[in-house]
Amino acid sequence: DTAVSQTPKYLVTQMGNDKSIKCEQNLGHDTMYWYKQDSKKFLKIMFSYNNKELIINETVPNRFSPKSPDKAHLNLHINSLELGDSAVYFCASSQEGGRSPLHFGNGTRLTVT
Amino acid sequence: TQLLEQSPQFLSIQEGENLTVYCNSSSVFSSLQWYRQEPGEGPVLLVTVVTGGEVKKLKRLTFQFGDARKDSSLHITAAQPGDTGLYLCAPSKTGANNLFFGTGTRLTVIP
Repeated sequence: DTAVSQTPKYLVTQMGNDKSIKCEQNLGHDTMYWYKQDSKKFLKIMFSYNNKELIINETVPNRFSPKSPDKAHLNLHINSLELGDSAVYFCASSQEGGRSPLHFGNGTRLTVT
Repeated sequence: TQLLEQSPQFLSIQEGENLTVYCNSSSVFSSLQWYRQEPGEGPVLLVTVVTGGEVKKLKRLTFQFGDARKDSSLHITAAQPGDTGLYLCAPSKTGANNLFFGTGTRLTVIP
């Protein structure tokens, strides 16, 4: 069974559209994250949720809105997509924050044309 | 934003060679993790080091946390093509709620 699964794996869309990426973890973890990995492979934290509550919101445009319906799910909705949003988005989870190991999904490659 | 430099940025070596990659910062950390990311997949945890000077071994991989807990190294002995990937260090500070990542080292081991 996949521990952290995110869908879709690939997403190609045009500028100005709104899209969502879904993430689910079956590890029973309390904390979930969204990371963005750019073309240079730099992995940067976007959001962190602990038990459905937002803990971290890095400097991310407010076009990005995470939603956590329960602690096993953390979805990412993006409004008015821009070319610069093209990247690979990774969902991750951990037992708790801090030094707990991160378990990553396999990423969603978003291409905005 | 933390400054976490990993070096070298790219490394291409022949199978059987040894190599060392580095993760450096000016900050002191409570612990540090190393991850490996293969193409098309998410990063996977290799090891966590906690104590200054700590050395951990994982088969042919040797990880060391600096005495001052500001830096770390990863040494691979007799590299194999299966070692190919992006190696990421991820330190954390006491009380911090997230892990941030270094710039990564892209390793290619040529058969």
